[in-house]
Amino acid sequence: DTGVSQDPRHKITKRGQNVTFRCDPISEHNRLYWYRQTLGQGPEFLTYFQNEAQLEKSRLLSDRFSAERPKGSFSTLEIQRTEQGDSAMYLCASTGTEDGYTFGSGTRLTVV
Amino acid sequence: KQEVTQIPAALSVPEGENLVLNCSFTDSAIYNLQWFRQDPGKGLTSLLLIQSSQREQTSGRLNASLDKSSGRSTLYIAASQPGDSATYLCAVAGSARQLTFGSGTQLTVLP
Repeated sequence: DTGVSQDPRHKITKRGQNVTFRCDPISEHNRLYWYRQTLGQGPEFLTYFQNEAQLEKSRLLSDRFSAERPKGSFSTLEIQRTEQGDSAMYLCASTGTEDGYTFGSGTRLTVV
Repeated sequence: KQEVTQIPAALSVPEGENLVLNCSFTDSAIYNLQWFRQDPGKGLTSLLLIQSSQREQTSGRLNASLDKSSGRSTLYIAASQPGDSATYLCAVAGSARQLTFGSGTQLTVLP
């Protein structure tokens, strides 16, 4: 297992378009998290899954955002009708029962 | 609501110095605390994880301490090297295991 993988690494999109990001967690980790990070700030929590169940969503996650984790494996984060304020680094992380977090390399989104 | 503060926001030191990065948090009911390193434009690399029942953890030249009662953690870096230059992030996990991050300390080690 090579850790947490995120795809794509970079995405440039026009305002109003939809984008989808993918995260493949460490296979034995049952919890998966999405965070968003803007320049000069620490990451902020968006949502998390325990297996396939989405257990919590931040108020940062507007109705334009949706996340899924079918079958408790990989996860996708979709942003509909992107806005310039959505430009950020989107980070995925996974954790097991007693482990700390393992983060992926992130997807940098630029909305032009 | 948990709030995490890191001081200083930026630090520049000559190579070889020992240094301390500070992290404070407002709610002492934490599950664990984790220190991360982030290089520009990259993801987060875990450095040290301290469970709520522990007082410190060590890895190589790094030592992190945790004082839950006072809401503080410190990351000690011994004999700093230019390769240590990065942003260091402190994060605390609550009962739901979601992390609350500080804004980080940007460290520059000068050769």
